[in-house]
Amino acid sequence: AQSVTQPDIHITVSEGASLELRCNYSYGATPYLFWYVQSPGQGLQLLLKYFSGDTLVQGIKGFEAEFKRSQSSFNLRKPSVHWSDAAEYFCAVGSGNTGFQKLVFGTGTRLLVSP
Amino acid sequence: AAGVIQSPRHLIKEKRETATLKCYPIPRHDTVYWYQQGPGQDPQFLISFYEKMQSDKGSIPDRFSAQQFSDYHSELNMSSLELGDSALYFCASSLGRSGMQETQYFGPGTRLLVL
Repeated sequence: AQSVTQPDIHITVSEGASLELRCNYSYGATPYLFWYVQSPGQGLQLLLKYFSGDTLVQGIKGFEAEFKRSQSSFNLRKPSVHWSDAAEYFCAVGSGNTGFQKLVFGTGTRLLVSP
Repeated sequence: AAGVIQSPRHLIKEKRETATLKCYPIPRHDTVYWYQQGPGQDPQFLISFYEKMQSDKGSIPDRFSAQQFSDYHSELNMSSLELGDSALYFCASSLGRSGMQETQYFGPGTRLLVL
């Protein structure tokens, strides 16, 4: 079965410092990978996605992610974190055998930004 | 741009009562997904619809049912509510004809509290 692992439950980063959130997936075929962000009490906002092609994908809010098939990883990065980036980040893989994909999420990483 | 609309945003029910959650997808989106996010948990897929037909089913209790209507909005009906049903319920919509390369856009969620 498809699964997503986010090894870090919490990460604290100083404002202005760089960020990397880890995501490993388990999927037999070509994965469709997503990063979503959830602010407290809010819905899930799509940051970026990977379907195929260039393994380095750019997203909104200055985020990027790199797909590494050899490592089954899709880590999220940002060169300089802002206080407003504090939120919960979910990595997800699209799965399904009906021609439509349901998302399987990781357990999330809560990002705290210190002054 | 128009987003996914969910109503109500908050709902409080007693045990054994019923609840109906509504989801209005982004205009022209024909596919709707329902997810359940328990406290501190990642979202779990419940069920999805494409063109008013069920397209996939996940860990949805038999007490729950859902449907998609001709205007593509969807309703999740929950009966015999239990304390464990307290969660944030997300609806997401997509353009299903994109197949596995679709992107799901999430609504703000309905927070259900069962007392």
